[in-house]
Amino acid sequence: DGGITQSPKYLFRKEGQNVTLSCEQNLNHDAMYWYRQDPGQGLRLIYYSQIVNDFQKGDIAEGYSVSREKKESFPLTVTSAQKNPTAFYLCASSASLSPTMNTEAFFGQGTRLTVV
Amino acid sequence: DQQVKQNSPSLSVQEGRISILNCDYTNSMFDYFLWYKKYPAEGPTFLISISSIKDKNEDGRFTVFLNKSAKHLSLHIVPSQPGDSAVYFCAAQRGRSSNTGKLIFGQGTTLQVKP
Repeated sequence: DGGITQSPKYLFRKEGQNVTLSCEQNLNHDAMYWYRQDPGQGLRLIYYSQIVNDFQKGDIAEGYSVSREKKESFPLTVTSAQKNPTAFYLCASSASLSPTMNTEAFFGQGTRLTVV
Repeated sequence: DQQVKQNSPSLSVQEGRISILNCDYTNSMFDYFLWYKKYPAEGPTFLISISSIKDKNEDGRFTVFLNKSAKHLSLHIVPSQPGDSAVYFCAAQRGRSSNTGKLIFGQGTTLQVKP
């Protein structure tokens, strides 16, 4: 079954620690994204990557870092510099960005990060 | 700067009736629009989309209408069913010709369909 997998589903972190959220897809998608969801604010884009070894900042990249060493994987690190890290994090992927193709994004099940 | 806005945080309708969810956008460069449905503690699932060259797209009970001059789109669900109760997100894609691929989401509207 093709899909996008995020792990873990729930994650607790002590204040001041870095933590990495995993995202893997086997859909052969070129583009991958990280979003954050907070109550009443919808989904906000943290980082995105259109191709291996390349990624771009989204609207709220401060305090986060990513890597894209493999097409299938796009891990997100929440650093201690992120002031309000407690949130629901969603990873997504979409197919090659050809203008002739539908480019709807497929989402993982999300990771709930709580800072304690 | 909220480029995609869903001004109604919640909507409640009776089973069998029509649900209309609205979305406004400000960026005229958006050329592809999508609706996603989301249950609590799960990732959003794609529902329906529309290209800016069309003004209507229909898929079963779901129809999306696009009014480019008003920068407005809406999702109609007919007839509404209790299983439709979820949060609905409107999303827009910025300039497909530039291949950015970024999806910009609205704040979401929580739909409750009462039996």
